[in-house]
Formats: sequence, C-alpha cells, structure tokens
Amino acid sequence: GQNIDQPTEMTATEGAIVQINCTYQTSGFNGLFWYQQHAGEAPTFLSYNVLDGLEEKGRFSSFLSLSKGYSYLLLKELQMKDSASYLCAFYNQGGKLIFGQGTELSVKP
Amino acid sequence: NAGVTQTPKFQVLKTGQSMTLQCAQDMNHEYMSWYRQDPGMGLRLIHYSVGAGITDQGEVPNGYNVSRSTTEDFPLRLLSAAPSQTSVYFCASSYGTGSEQYFGPGTRLTVT
Repeated sequence: GQNIDQPTEMTATEGAIVQINCTYQTSGFNGLFWYQQHAGEAPTFLSYNVLDGLEEKGRFSSFLSLSKGYSYLLLKELQMKDSASYLCAFYNQGGKLIFGQGTELSVKP
Repeated sequence: NAGVTQTPKFQVLKTGQSMTLQCAQDMNHEYMSWYRQDPGMGLRLIHYSVGAGITDQGEVPNGYNVSRSTTEDFPLRLLSAAPSQTSVYFCASSYGTGSEQYFGPGTRLTVT
C-alpha cells in the first residue's frame, strides 16, 4: 500500500529554525512536494525533490532520502507569517498526488 | 492569466440534492484533479484527469462523478448529496504527472 506520515502540529519561536519531517511508503515514487497552506486559503507550492539531497530556496530548504523514504522541510529565520499548515505529498506510480495530513506550525513571538 | 478558478465559493445543499462544482484553468494544463479537505484529514484525491476525455478515480471517488470534455474544464458532480460530503473542495491543475500543481481558491460545501 501507500502511506505518508507527518507530525500533526509543531510550535516554534520567531527567528528560530524548525524542521518538519515526512515519511512515506509507496510501491512507486515520482517525486515529493511540500506545500504551504494558510488558514482558509488554497495550498501553494514550496518545493519539489525527486533525487536524494537538499534543495534550498531562500529561507526554505527541503531534503529527500529515497532509501529511507524520508523528507524534511527546514524553515530558517522564522517569521510570524510562517504560521500555517505544511503538507508533504508524493506522486505514486499511478500518477496520483497523495498528501499527508499536514503539520500545523505555530510561530510564537 | 486567471490560473485555476472555481465556482461557487460557498454552497449549502439539502440531503439528496445534486449539484456541479465548476473548475476551469487557462494555463493549458493537461493534468487536473479534485480534492476534498476535512479537518485533520489533509487533502484526499477524489478524481483526476491526465487529459481531455480521460478520467480516473482517486482515493475517495464514491458519490462523485467527473468528465473532461475540454482541456480547460473539469466539473465535479455530486449526484445525491449526503452530510458526509460536507467539506472544502479544491480543484488543481498541472502540466503533467510529476509537476507542481496549482490550486483553485476552493468551494466550501455544507450538506444539511
């Protein structure tokens, strides 16, 4: 079968660094995505990994380990506006984009 | 370039009523999909399409129908609404499998 797991919620302090983990199990794999979703809004794309390693994009970085079925999203220099839900998702071999339940991040002053 | 548009934004239905949620994109994307989002459940795939004339089931297809007669439009039909279909519905599109998906603003549906 296929499964994707991430923590339900996290809390961090403004200016700090936070790492949101995502583990997945699937018989086929075609890339892992991270999306950000503010309350009451649509998800927006953050990053995409298809090979092992780290992808950096400003304050956000995403890491993928294919052998471990593991990814993380790293947010640096946290700002209050980073309070949101962070969703990891993968395309399975059948071409379906499957999402985890999302991690609700609260940034405190 | 409007991106992905959805109508209506809000809808209230009575049990047993039918309706169609509209979705359109102007980016010439081949891949389109419908998700529902419930508290604590993340986004669950209802149906998707890899091109005009081609549709397939996602994780939670029961109670929903789709068709894709044009590249631009991908309507979602609820045949006989049930309270369990109360949810926020998102339509998304992308160039193809493996590409970033662009989401519409969502439709908040309540079935009483």
